Amino acid sequence: GENVEQHPSTLSVQEGDSAVIKCTYSDSASNYFPWYKQELGKRPQLIIDIRSNVGEKKDQRIAVTLNKTAKHFSLHITETQPEDSAVYFCAASITGYGQNFVFGPGTRLSVLP
Amino acid sequence: DVKVTQSSRYLVKRTGEKVFLECVQDMDHENMFWYRQDPGLGLRLIYFSYDVKMKEKGDIPEGYSVSREKKERFSLILESASTNQTSMYLCASNPAGQETQYFGPGTRLLVL
Repeated sequence: GENVEQHPSTLSVQEGDSAVIKCTYSDSASNYFPWYKQELGKRPQLIIDIRSNVGEKKDQRIAVTLNKTAKHFSLHITETQPEDSAVYFCAASITGYGQNFVFGPGTRLSVLP
Repeated sequence: DVKVTQSSRYLVKRTGEKVFLECVQDMDHENMFWYRQDPGLGLRLIYFSYDVKMKEKGDIPEGYSVSREKKERFSLILESASTNQTSMYLCASNPAGQETQYFGPGTRLLVL
């Protein structure tokens, strides 16, 4: 089955700097890769996703890149702000197969003022 | 606005007790999921359901069962709670054919 690894497990950056979180997956059939953000005490929420037919996707300060050959994808956050502090989860799935994701273990991002 | 609710935010049970965790969504979603969240392990899928009375095992179904008698409600059952089931339990739902999952607020279960 699918296995998703995520690095680093914790990340501290200064406000205004960039943050990068990397994930690798094992199943080459996976074709949908979402990123969820979970603030302290709150539920996970989708922040961005990418499909395997696209190499990069941007939404304001966040972007995701996908390398299908290497089977890894990354979340990039630019101009970090304190409200970016949260746990970020990547996931991989095969669309049309029940949308059941395999999540990575999570990265705790702290943005220091 | 999608709303997914869970019956309890915090729950304390004794070893051996039967525990019911309930999840309700109000958006007529076909798919519902139960995950447990543990530090360093992320979210792991326990069971999911595509339709009423339908269930599929996820990655860690041992020690759990589920029930989906109505479309809006998905229950997770711990037949005989054990201390290693102490965890945060998250329910999620989504419509058929869409990938985005909408999560409930979670139930933090402590088994003593």
